Amino acid sequence: GAGVSQSPSNKVTEKGKDVELRCDPISGHTALYWYRQSLGQGLEFLIYFQGNSAPDKSGLPSDRFSAERTGGSVSTLTIQRTQQEDSAVYLCASSLGGVGPGETQYFGPGTRLLVL
Amino acid sequence: AQSVTQLGSHVSVSEGALVLLRCNYSSSVPPYLFWYVQYPNQGLQLLLKYTTGATLVKGINGFEAEFKKSETSFHLTKPSAHMSDAAEYFCAVSEFSWGRRALTFGSGTRLQVQP
Repeated sequence: GAGVSQSPSNKVTEKGKDVELRCDPISGHTALYWYRQSLGQGLEFLIYFQGNSAPDKSGLPSDRFSAERTGGSVSTLTIQRTQQEDSAVYLCASSLGGVGPGETQYFGPGTRLLVL
Repeated sequence: AQSVTQLGSHVSVSEGALVLLRCNYSSSVPPYLFWYVQYPNQGLQLLLKYTTGATLVKGINGFEAEFKKSETSFHLTKPSAHMSDAAEYFCAVSEFSWGRRALTFGSGTRLQVQP
């Protein structure tokens, strides 16, 4: 079946603008994750959604970052007042959920964000 | 907190040679360990994972890894490198605390395969 999809694949924005990144998880997966991949910081966890539970936002780097998941499916990561240090690849992943910490996370192709 | 260390940010091997990518982890609880591969401009693809049971884990594309608790290691190997193996490889540990499921990744190892 279809994998995790993300849009846009590339986004160029000006410093100070807001951006929205979208993630469509694999159908039936109740867990959804956002990660950030940057040259200086490697792969970092941002936020985790599991079903209708309150999300784990402990990885969000500042209050300019927020995410929501509507209807337990599609998720949007929003970055307000973008800064140059926000330039990175934003990866979304999903997993079945409820299986345990050994369950496989399936990653999307990422959104490459460049803040000028 | 859990952590992962990958020794060698770049590894170069000849086609047909043994591939060995090193990963050491730190964890206060039994770890769940993963190896992912990332090809240029693509997302991460699972190669293999260790959860419980057999410590030698076989994955896709001829890769395998052995969980060694005494050495806190989970090194990735492949007997014979192929040009198509050139990619970046990430070792990760699953963090399980207060219901969290985030993966903690190592810094990655870029594998180059010389003809």
